[in-house]
Amino acid sequence: AQKVTQAQTEISVVEKEDVTLDCVYETRDTTYYLFWYKQPPSGELVFLIRRNSFDEQNEISGRYSWNFQKSTSSFNFTITASQVVDSAVYFCALSEINTNAGKSTFGDGTTLTVKP
Amino acid sequence: DVKVTQSSRYLVKRTGEKVFLECVQDMDHENMFWYRQDPGLGLRLIYFSYDVKMKEKGDIPEGYSVSREKKERFSLILESASTNQTSMYLCASSPIPGTSNYEQYFGPGTRLTVT
Repeated sequence: AQKVTQAQTEISVVEKEDVTLDCVYETRDTTYYLFWYKQPPSGELVFLIRRNSFDEQNEISGRYSWNFQKSTSSFNFTITASQVVDSAVYFCALSEINTNAGKSTFGDGTTLTVKP
Repeated sequence: DVKVTQSSRYLVKRTGEKVFLECVQDMDHENMFWYRQDPGLGLRLIYFSYDVKMKEKGDIPEGYSVSREKKERFSLILESASTNQTSMYLCASSPIPGTSNYEQYFGPGTRLTVT
């Protein structure tokens, strides 16, 4: 069975601090996708990034960066110079790709609060 | 822009009522999903569908059923609503894995209260 663990339930930082959200996953599949989604206070989940299990390259998009390490089954997300607008619940997810259904398992989410 | 719409943002029902939650997507996606979201429990998969009239149970299907008569529409049915089904319900759709735009696209959610 697949499992995604986001050990940090809540994180609070002051604006301009860097913050890392941890994600650890378990799967028996050799091929899979990993995702990060953001759920702002308005409620609608928004896709941030997708990574497939063959691609361990780290990725940077503006203030966001992701570190995928297969050896430790981790897919961590770092926000550099955080802003108040980054306040949201962030979900890490693991998706199977051995069927067309693409069933995903989500972590419990990390609530990030960025204070001015 | 991909759009996933849900029939209601807020819904209040009485215990024992039959409840229908509707979800429509406009991107011709093969897959559709229903989740419930509760504080501290993340998103839990109730049912999903990978084709018209095809459905599979997720992790918490008890007390729910689904219907997918058309590709764009996926309905969640609470046969006899109970107070422990008070929750936020999220619908999502996705293309099949491996496509360039593969991700789940979420609707705005329906906050259901059962009294």
